[in-house]
Amino acid sequence: GENVEQHPSTLSVQEGDSAVIKCTYSDSASNYFPWYKQELGKRPQLIIDIRSNVGEKKDQRIAVTLNKTAKHFSLHITETQPEDSAVYFCAANERGAGGTSYGKLTFGQGTILTVHP
Amino acid sequence: KAGVTQTPRYLIKTRGQQVTLSCSPISGHRSVSWYQQTPGQGLQFLFEYFSETQRNKGNFPGRFSGRQFSNSRSEMNVSTLELGDSALYLCASSPGTSSYNEQFFGPGTRLTVL
Repeated sequence: GENVEQHPSTLSVQEGDSAVIKCTYSDSASNYFPWYKQELGKRPQLIIDIRSNVGEKKDQRIAVTLNKTAKHFSLHITETQPEDSAVYFCAANERGAGGTSYGKLTFGQGTILTVHP
Repeated sequence: KAGVTQTPRYLIKTRGQQVTLSCSPISGHRSVSWYQQTPGQGLQFLFEYFSETQRNKGNFPGRFSGRQFSNSRSEMNVSTLELGDSALYLCASSPGTSSYNEQFFGPGTRLTVL
């Protein structure tokens, strides 16, 4: 099955700095890579996603890059703010026994991001 | 649109008991996926239902089962509870018609097994 590795497990930055989180995946059939942010006691929420036919996607201070050949993708947050502090999860879809990858995500272990004012 | 809801929010059970959790998806969404979240294992996929059929299944023992109703609401059941089943159980809904569909998560059910 799919395996998603995420690094680092913790990341501490000063407000205004950039933060980068990296993930690798194993299933070459994966074609959808979402990133979720989970604040303490809250549900995971999608912050950005990328499809396999795209190399980079940006949304204001957040960007994601994908290297299909190397099977890795990264989240970049610029001009970090204290409210960016949360746990971030990368994920990849995986084709299951049912023959589809719909609704089945494999998640990385998460990165605890702390932004110090 | 109302978001994904889960009931109950908290549950305390003892070993050997069984439990049923409920998830109501966003209106119009036909896919419901279930995940187990623990500090040690992170978020792990349990199964996914679409139009009342289990379409995908993760690597969990048969004690974990689920079903989906005609209104797309889904339940998951865990029988013969073990201490290691203590976790946050999250469901997520999506249209279920594309591998690119965003999954919207519910608030989760916190299960504690004593």
